[in-house]
Amino acid sequence: KAGVTQTPRYLIKTRGQQVTLSCSPISGHRSVSWYQQTPGQGLQFLFEYFSETQRNKGNFPGRFSGRQFSNSRSEMNVSTLELGDSALYLCASSLYGGRENIQYFGAGTRLSVL
Amino acid sequence: GNSVTQMEGPVTLSEEAFLTINCTYTATGYPSLFWYVQYPGEGLQLLLKATKADDKGSNKGFEATYRKETTSFHLEKGSVQVSDSAVYFCALSDLDPLNSGGSNYKLTFGKGTLLTVNP
Repeated sequence: KAGVTQTPRYLIKTRGQQVTLSCSPISGHRSVSWYQQTPGQGLQFLFEYFSETQRNKGNFPGRFSGRQFSNSRSEMNVSTLELGDSALYLCASSLYGGRENIQYFGAGTRLSVL
Repeated sequence: GNSVTQMEGPVTLSEEAFLTINCTYTATGYPSLFWYVQYPGEGLQLLLKATKADDKGSNKGFEATYRKETTSFHLEKGSVQVSDSAVYFCALSDLDPLNSGGSNYKLTFGKGTLLTVNP
């Protein structure tokens, strides 16, 4: 079974631009979560999608948004990029996102904002 | 809100030494507990989990016991190897107290502990 696939692996953007990251979950998984990882703040939850609906959202500004498609693939978008958005963005999928569900992580997309 | 506190790193050990990484948590409900590991340049991999009090998770020689009375989930390994060098994250899965309604579980992570094992 293929794992969680994130594309692209690396991105370089400049301030003010926008960016879209993609995540393909494990086949059969309906929940997709996104996390931001930085050296200073660690791993922070961005949002979770289940059956094309955003079910939960972390404490990030509205510049961060996402969506999920009918095949469970998910995208996240960051508009008006700031230097502080430089981070590793991790996507994780699970069967239905419940209390005991294991989340399986992709290798991440490393975004550098110049 | 929910939070996870794990011991500050980095931790440097010699091969075959005993490892303990402390982890304590605060949760509004009854969480599941996890240890994830991240190798350089990779995403997170589940190491072990426990879903109820007194459960012991184990994998690849690592163990952790869910202690509800002390709200702890310490990671241990009796004899570390160079290949265990990585960053270890303690995490809990619980309902998000800021987002009522529905099954809004999310993972809350500790800051991570960098382990380096020298030959």
